[in-house]
Amino acid sequence: QSALTQPASVSGSPGQSITISCTGTSSDVGSYNLVSWYQQHPGKAPKLMIYEVSKRPSGVSNRFSGSKSGNTASLTISGLQAEDEADYYCCSYAGSSTFEGWVFGGGTKLTVL
Amino acid sequence: EVQLVESGGGLVQPGGSLRLSCAASGFTFSSYEMNWVRQAPGKGLEWVSYISSSGSTIYYADSVKGRFTISRDNAKNSLYLQMNSLRAEDTAVYYCARVLEGSSGCFGYWGQGTLVTVSS
Repeated sequence: QSALTQPASVSGSPGQSITISCTGTSSDVGSYNLVSWYQQHPGKAPKLMIYEVSKRPSGVSNRFSGSKSGNTASLTISGLQAEDEADYYCCSYAGSSTFEGWVFGGGTKLTVL
Repeated sequence: EVQLVESGGGLVQPGGSLRLSCAASGFTFSSYEMNWVRQAPGKGLEWVSYISSSGSTIYYADSVKGRFTISRDNAKNSLYLQMNSLRAEDTAVYYCARVLEGSSGCFGYWGQGTLVTVSS
């Protein structure tokens, strides 16, 4: 099972919006509404930001939103803030005749200019 | 408050074995699916293994299948990962993660991680 594809880096200025893409296949992102997104600051454990494509856990800012079209999911962060600078990972459930489990993207480093 | 505390990491030689533990508290452990996720130094996240709440359903990543065994003891509120035939590429911080209540297929709570280093 191959990893999902994310851009290595994105950047934006405070107050702007950015979008991080996550491309998979018809065996993962395209077949299941089980895409989640995680934020990770250096030396810290990951934090769930979006689950089931577009749902936000309690306590996560509504500046974070998720969507999906076909085999590609997206995370949008609006009103960028300095504390949003972190690594972001997408994840999807994957199921086929030979594999069941979860696959992560390679991660995207967000820089707030 | 949900708490997950991993332990058991350390330095091990290639071909060796190690058993990781994850102590859970603050929730009814027996009601939740659990996972192990790892992160090699400077690299991204990699899902390792899943176990259902009863332990009856288990999945593994291809990279660890046949070498790692996930298990749980609901009476002790604990999750385990038995790692055998360890390789240099298994060097990583290992996190235990619990699903978010009311959801499927995501990792809502994470421990702080335990570092496993495979080296001679």
